[in-house]
Amino acid sequence: QSVLTQPPSVSGAPGQRVTISCTGSSSNIGAGYDVHWYQQLPGTAPKLLIYDNYNRPSGVPDRFSGSKSGTSASLAITGLQAGDEADYYCQSYDRSLRRVFGGGTKVTVL
Amino acid sequence: EVQLVEAGGGLVQPGGSLRLSCAASGFTFSDYEIHWVRQAIGEGLEWVSAIGTGGDPHYRDSVKGRFTISRENVKNSLYLQMNSLTAGDTAVYYCARESTGALGAFDIWGQGTMVTVSS
Repeated sequence: QSVLTQPPSVSGAPGQRVTISCTGSSSNIGAGYDVHWYQQLPGTAPKLLIYDNYNRPSGVPDRFSGSKSGTSASLAITGLQAGDEADYYCQSYDRSLRRVFGGGTKVTVL
Repeated sequence: EVQLVEAGGGLVQPGGSLRLSCAASGFTFSDYEIHWVRQAIGEGLEWVSAIGTGGDPHYRDSVKGRFTISRENVKNSLYLQMNSLTAGDTAVYYCARESTGALGAFDIWGQGTMVTVSS
């Protein structure tokens, strides 16, 4: 069981919008710690997608956006493309466990 | 090019030891906290250990007393000495750079090295 809870999978048609939730607790996200998101394409290492809740590193399309509220965070992907098929992970800091990840969400483009 | 390259993975018997290394290039290694993150096949990411710029180590509970993280700034290298290995340690091990700032994101990842613990 991961400390941060994500849905195992989400899917959408090309061009649609999908969102991935990341639910934590008062010892991590709810304590005010930032949330980061990573994209892992099949067979590759994770890549930073969103940092500090809503910021995009250089080169990440603005189709990807992040938000945070209370003990949860969300990643939204608009204009879904075939190349977005990947696993997505949220990550934050936990007062007891230090760095924690969500269990990951597999995005499927129908 | 900013890069991290892991090495040292392989097949080891339960109870055995392995030393992973992570070679950094393209940035001032000594300025960054570096982490080890692992991923069992078909599973999610799991934070393992970190070492700060001052050499202060941190570990997840399940590896405390068995794993030792260290760094050699003059060689731009990070290490993970893993002892008393169990099947539960089988995973791809990534080293990752933490971006500057408090509790930053992991902005650079290596390609990973596979560790298999099996008899």
